[in-house]
Amino acid sequence: SQTIHQWPATLVQPVGSPLSLECTVEGTSNPNLYWYRQAAGRGLQLLFYSVGIGQISSEVPQNLSASRPQDRQFILSSKKLLLSDSGFYLCAWRGQYQETQYFGPGTRLLVL
Amino acid sequence: RKEVEQDPGPFNVPEGATVAFNCTYSNSASQSFFWYRQDCRKEPKLLMSVYSSGNEDGRFTAQLNRASQYISLLIRDSKLSDSATYLCVVNTGFQKLVFGTGTRLLVSP
Repeated sequence: SQTIHQWPATLVQPVGSPLSLECTVEGTSNPNLYWYRQAAGRGLQLLFYSVGIGQISSEVPQNLSASRPQDRQFILSSKKLLLSDSGFYLCAWRGQYQETQYFGPGTRLLVL
Repeated sequence: RKEVEQDPGPFNVPEGATVAFNCTYSNSASQSFFWYRQDCRKEPKLLMSVYSSGNEDGRFTAQLNRASQYISLLIRDSKLSDSATYLCVVNTGFQKLVFGTGTRLLVSP
């Protein structure tokens, strides 16, 4: 069966510090991968998605970036965090011929 | 106008009650539809897909009205464990899902 992992589970970072969040999927190959952010009391905002290694589509201009160095690995990064980057970051995957997305447990980021 | 709109609630109902949520979407070309459930501080989890003919999964019934562009979720015999936020989700194509902001349900003893 397929599983999706995210780490760390929680993170507290100072403004201006770098960020690296990692997501990995097991039990499937060539998945579509997604990064979402959910701010407190708000809906899910799609940040990036990837249909293959090295292929990244950005949905919202911001100081975040994403990379997909391996088929089942998706990384969210920032060079300098802003206060507004605080939120719940969720990685999701779906199979190539599926429509349903499945979410990882998320990383709760607090920027101080 | 938001692509997917939901009443944020909360809907406060007693155990055993029947409760219904509606959701409207703006893109008439939307292809498929889902309800996800999100518990507090957890990731969203797929509750059920929504089919044009309507579908049922135990106490949960989902309906789609393409002409009016709305989706509904009916929960019968509410349980305490049904307390959560219910997200309406629309596949507009282009590899992406669009999530509503959710409807919060609180079931009380």
